[in-house]
Amino acid sequence: KQEVTQIPAALSVPEGENLVLNCSFTDSAIYNLQWFRQDPGKGLTSLLLIQSSQREQTSGRLNASLDKSSGRSTLYIAASQPGDSATYLCAVSPQFYFGTGTSLTVIP
Amino acid sequence: GAVVSQHPSRVICKSGTSVKIECRSLDFQATTMFWYRQFPKKSLMLMATSNEGSKATYEQGVEKDKFLINHASLTLSTLTVTSAHPEDSSFYICSARTMGETQYFGPGTRLLVL
Repeated sequence: KQEVTQIPAALSVPEGENLVLNCSFTDSAIYNLQWFRQDPGKGLTSLLLIQSSQREQTSGRLNASLDKSSGRSTLYIAASQPGDSATYLCAVSPQFYFGTGTSLTVIP
Repeated sequence: GAVVSQHPSRVICKSGTSVKIECRSLDFQATTMFWYRQFPKKSLMLMATSNEGSKATYEQGVEKDKFLINHASLTLSTLTVTSAHPEDSSFYICSARTMGETQYFGPGTRLLVL
C-alpha cells in the first residue's frame, strides 16, 4: 500500500520568509500528485496538481516540484504571509492517499 | 471549476442510529468517488473507493458492513454509517474524480454521535 509522509509535521516562520514543505511517497507508480491546504474545521482547497509526466507547477507564490523516481515532491512558498497559515496536505493518485500533513504558522 | 457538494454539513445523532451522508458532483459526471474520514488534527484517511454501478472497494481495516457505500448514479454516492457509536464521530469528506483524473473534494460532513 502506498504510504505518504510529510516533513516537517509543524512549521512556524516569520512573515516574509520563503519555505519548503516536503512530501515523500513509497510507490512511484502514481498518476499525479496534488497539494492542498486545509483551514481548521474546513474542507480542502486544491493548490497545485502535478501530472506524473510533469516536473513542476507554479501558481502565484507557490511552486511544486515532483521527482517520481525518488518518490518526492516539494511545495515552495515564497514571501510567506499570515494568511498562508493552514495545514498543507499532499496526496498521490490513483487512490489519492494523503500525506500526514504539515501545520504551518506564519507569524506577523 | 467543478463542484462537489455534501449533505448534511453537520449531523448529531444518538448512539445506535444510522446516518446517511450524500456526496454529489454538481456539474460533471464522476465515475469514481472516494470517501475519507479525518480525526482531529490528523490527515485524511481513505476509507473506500466507489465506482458507479459496482461494489465499493474498502481499505484495509474499514468495516464494509458498518460503512455502507452506494454509488447509484454518475453524480451521487452515499455513505451510511450504520449503528453509529461515539467512536464514529469524525469529519467525513468525499471526492469525485473526472474522466481526466482530476479530483474534486466536497466540503465535508461533521458527524457527532452522542
